[in-house]
Amino acid sequence: GAGVSQSPRYKVAKRGQDVALRCDPISGHVSLFWYQQALGQGPEFLTYFQNEAQLDKSGLPSDRFFAERPEGSVSTLKIQRTQQEDSAVYLCASSFSFGTGGLLDQPQHFGDGTRLSIL
Amino acid sequence: DQQVKQNSPSLSVQEGRISILNCDYTNSMFDYFLWYKKYPAEGPTFLISISSIKDKNEDGRFTVFLNKSAKHLSLHIVPSQPGDSAVYFCLGQNFVFGPGTRLSVLP
Repeated sequence: GAGVSQSPRYKVAKRGQDVALRCDPISGHVSLFWYQQALGQGPEFLTYFQNEAQLDKSGLPSDRFFAERPEGSVSTLKIQRTQQEDSAVYLCASSFSFGTGGLLDQPQHFGDGTRLSIL
Repeated sequence: DQQVKQNSPSLSVQEGRISILNCDYTNSMFDYFLWYKKYPAEGPTFLISISSIKDKNEDGRFTVFLNKSAKHLSLHIVPSQPGDSAVYFCLGQNFVFGPGTRLSVLP
């Protein structure tokens, strides 16, 4: 079956522009996660959803970052008034379920990410 | 506080030999750990997991060992192959990644 799909694969924007990154999770997966990965670093958690509910957004670096998953399937990560430090790979992951107490009990399946470059 | 740490940024191993990647954790509440592999320009790929009710889980060439008293887990790859060259991440249940360990398997 299809894996997690992210679009676009590459995005170049000028500083100050708004961008929107899309994630199509694996069908039937309840949980969806967004990560930001800077060069040479591991992925850093941004936010996660269980169905349409955003249960944790503690990793979002500023109020310029906004994520939504209105129907509990496709998710969009929006970055407003982009800055150069927003340049990174943005990864989306989904999993079939989510454990109790906010802890994983199943593997996450990742997309190949969107590489965002802010000029 | 990452709670799960990989202290070796890189490892080089000869093809056919064993690769051992190590991970330490501080959160005793974790009872499920995962290993991921990442190639450049791709997302992380789930490799193997282990539940704390076990001390070993094996899948082909990959075996993960869990030592709960030492709060330590390790991933063994044997025999190592050049295609195993990638960055490896271990995760606890709080889905926080560390910087990973870059494995290079030399032909």
